[in-house]
Amino acid sequence: EPEVTQTPSHQVTQMGQEVILRCVPISNHLYFYWYRQILGQKVEFLVSFYNNEISEKSEIFDDQFSVERPDGSNFTLKIRSTKLEDSAMYFCASSSSRANYGYTFGSGTRLTVV
Amino acid sequence: AQSVTQPDIHITVSEGASLELRCNYSYGATPYLFWYVQSPGQGLQLLLKYFSGDTLVQGIKGFEAEFKRSQSSFNLRKPSVHWSDAAEYFCAVGVDSGGGADGLTFGKGTHLIIQP
Repeated sequence: EPEVTQTPSHQVTQMGQEVILRCVPISNHLYFYWYRQILGQKVEFLVSFYNNEISEKSEIFDDQFSVERPDGSNFTLKIRSTKLEDSAMYFCASSSSRANYGYTFGSGTRLTVV
Repeated sequence: AQSVTQPDIHITVSEGASLELRCNYSYGATPYLFWYVQSPGQGLQLLLKYFSGDTLVQGIKGFEAEFKRSQSSFNLRKPSVHWSDAAEYFCAVGVDSGGGADGLTFGKGTHLIIQP
């Protein structure tokens, strides 16, 4: 079964550093998403991406965040200057269609900011 | 804006017993409704989803959920749980605003513990 692959599985970074989280969506999917889950809390929507541009973003997704699809396979989330409160599990998801929310989630990257 | 409430933070069930996890949503129209399961250290796996039609939805791993419009609920059920069902369960709501790719709104989750 096709999978969404996220790397690394765990990343530790110092406060103020830039971090890039990487995702390889399912190859024929067109819609891409990032969600985050702070430890013990609910999963929160960050951003959706379609046709090489952001479709929707939440209040969490401020100027410190950016997304990119640098080539035909990767989908990245960049945090420019990490804060302690950015520590969370970050999930990538992809979907073949927006209309039926046929999401497939990756296993996540645990980001720890120290 | 839509919201999701999962009133039970933890539920403990004996192996072989039946299970019901509660989910209530708030939205002006009928949303898209989902249940996801998350095992420790794992991603989110879709159990089932409701868009329209039959209000009783069958999912994977023997789970089912029933959409009740009058109660704004989408409770998850399983007739007989197995130890491997121990996990975190999330109810989620999606809406179709007609715009771009809209995100899902998740509940806070219910942690399911299975007693032998």
